[in-house]
Amino acid sequence: QVQLVQSGAEVKKPGASVKVSCKASGYTFTGYYMHWVRQAPGQGLEWMGWINPNSGGTNYAQKFQGRVTMTRDTSISTAYMELSRLRSDDTAVYYCAREASGFGELLGWFDPWGQGTLVTVSS
Amino acid sequence: QSVLTQPPSVSGAPGQRVTISCTGSSSNIGAGYDVHWYQQLPGTAPKLLIYGNSNRPSGVPDRFSGSKSGTSASLAITGLQAEDEADYYCQSYDSSLSGPYVVFGGGTKLTVL
Repeated sequence: QVQLVQSGAEVKKPGASVKVSCKASGYTFTGYYMHWVRQAPGQGLEWMGWINPNSGGTNYAQKFQGRVTMTRDTSISTAYMELSRLRSDDTAVYYCAREASGFGELLGWFDPWGQGTLVTVSS
Repeated sequence: QSVLTQPPSVSGAPGQRVTISCTGSSSNIGAGYDVHWYQQLPGTAPKLLIYGNSNRPSGVPDRFSGSKSGTSASLAITGLQAEDEADYYCQSYDSSLSGPYVVFGGGTKLTVL
């Protein structure tokens, strides 16, 4: 079955960087865009951007431009999201989610989602 | 402040029907972008509930239905059950910036009385 498995929880100090991984299985990794979404404690969902695993092309939400980098390693079907210059308000659960509208397509829905990775930023 | 507006909370007794609205604008829902809905049970990742405005993935009970009209969309849940208590989010796209980019509603907490 289609599955996304993310890396474990992280604790970082303000100003540091964090890199979260998302390993895909059960489908052609390069055929579907991968999105990253975060959720601060008790808050709603916030889209961060997407990566095209085939080309490596990316599109970041304006709020995160300059601080986020999304990459992938097609040899191990894994997507990565790195966030730099961390602040306390970056404390959140970070999710990867596959674009499910179709092979090579965008502008659709997300399915499935990874289990989430808690990133805690604290001095 | 979310681009898509949802009521913070709704409630209903078991067996009742509830609806959750998702209000957008001419740059997102009104521009023709589809609306999708997710259910998030406490402590878990969001799960796809409705895609393409009104389509249910396999395994989602037909008690859940979605609709879209103009700049708004709605999720309806009939025959409310205790296990429906969760947070619900709508999602679409917006083209007001150098987009299109993904937008979510602020989420609605459903309480089953």
